[in-house]
Amino acid sequence: QSALTQPASVSGSPGQSITISCTGTSYDIGSYNLVSWYQQHSGKVPKIIIFGVSERPSGISSRFSGSKSGVTASLTISALQAEDEADYYCCSYAGTLRIFGGGTKLTVL
Amino acid sequence: QLQLVQSGAEVKNPGSSAKVSCKASGGTLGNYGFGWIRQAPGQGLEWMGGIIPRFDATDYAQKFKGRVMITADTSTNTVYLEFNSLTSDDTALYFCARWGQGFDIWGHGTLVTVSS
Repeated sequence: QSALTQPASVSGSPGQSITISCTGTSYDIGSYNLVSWYQQHSGKVPKIIIFGVSERPSGISSRFSGSKSGVTASLTISALQAEDEADYYCCSYAGTLRIFGGGTKLTVL
Repeated sequence: QLQLVQSGAEVKNPGSSAKVSCKASGGTLGNYGFGWIRQAPGQGLEWMGGIIPRFDATDYAQKFKGRVMITADTSTNTVYLEFNSLTSDDTALYFCARWGQGFDIWGHGTLVTVSS
């Protein structure tokens, strides 16, 4: 039950696109299409931005997209905006359990 | 719109127990699962365990098995997290969240501080 692996930090300029990876194993990401992503601004409650690998909840900008290949899931944020600066966490279902990634701090330069 | 309202902050002595509640407001627990997720100061999110109240089915992360108990009261639409043998490492913000295909609704968090 090790945490999913995410880069500690990524950065990009306004208007650019960035991708955050989330690597698991054949027991979690590799076995289930139940990867979700969360955005957490400093001092705030996490907010779901992607579920079921690539689905966006109502009200979430289409600039956020998710995908999966093998044991690695990815979150892409296009047309970066200053308000996207936050921590991002992936989470995978793992056969009744849930596992989070260590989190990635996104800095908008 | 369902909201999850959590109990207030607590300060606990090392070795003691704590019980945090999470009440569904504006709806019921329904057929959903609910999880408890903690966040230590400056750290990431950590899933502790979860419950499907309708079936009283629980699961726990290996790290917390034997020290944590998650229960639910469907008559009051409340989910509970109880954990014992507290240490300073348990100082954290504890969130409850509803599981659909992801944690789609979160409580505001309950700060538990373990200090002598």
